[in-house]
Amino acid sequence: DTGVSQNPRHKITKRGQNVTFRCDPISEHNRLYWYRQTLGQGPEFLTYFQNEAQLEKSRLLSDRFSAERPKGSFSTLEIQRTEQGDSAMYLCASTNSFGELFFGEGSRLTVL
Amino acid sequence: AQSVSQHNHHVILSEAASLELGCNYSYGGTVNLFWYVQYPGQHLQLLLKYFSGDPLVKGIKGFEAEFIKSKFSFNLRKPSVQWSDTAEYFCAVSLSGTYKYIFGTGTRLKVLA
Repeated sequence: DTGVSQNPRHKITKRGQNVTFRCDPISEHNRLYWYRQTLGQGPEFLTYFQNEAQLEKSRLLSDRFSAERPKGSFSTLEIQRTEQGDSAMYLCASTNSFGELFFGEGSRLTVL
Repeated sequence: AQSVSQHNHHVILSEAASLELGCNYSYGGTVNLFWYVQYPGQHLQLLLKYFSGDPLVKGIKGFEAEFIKSKFSFNLRKPSVQWSDTAEYFCAVSLSGTYKYIFGTGTRLKVLA
């Protein structure tokens, strides 16, 4: 399967710890997106990259969140000093040349 | 701020009933419109999309949607639902020229066998 891959799938951490999620997009897709989804809500935009350039970042994203996409391939999303409110599903997606988003399975974060 | 509204949060239907899920967006410019579906335990998948042309678009599994520009709407329809359509459905809008996708809050559909 050459879809979007995310890991870890589940992460449980204590408040104050740092966590990092990885996303491997579909190889020929040059745009990569991070979304956050909580129960009963739709995906909430966090940030996106075109190749290695981070082109937009949501104002909702505090400075504890940082994302990178070195070399324009995989991407990482790091959350520093996690808080209970960070508990959510973190979704990664990439787009093809038709502008269609392809999502990964997501990384579920639980902050105790 | 741009937003996408899905007014039906939960819908319960019997098999063979017709389905219509509402989606409205608030943006006056050119938009691309999408419906995504998330089956239980699976990732979000594209159901159908509208970029331009015929405002009635057909997607997979017998779904269709109609873009009505004057109403800022992109409602999803299916003439006869099946138990396997039980899922959560999300409407999304891409603002032309921005590559940013905004999602609605979703509609959880349950189809009773």
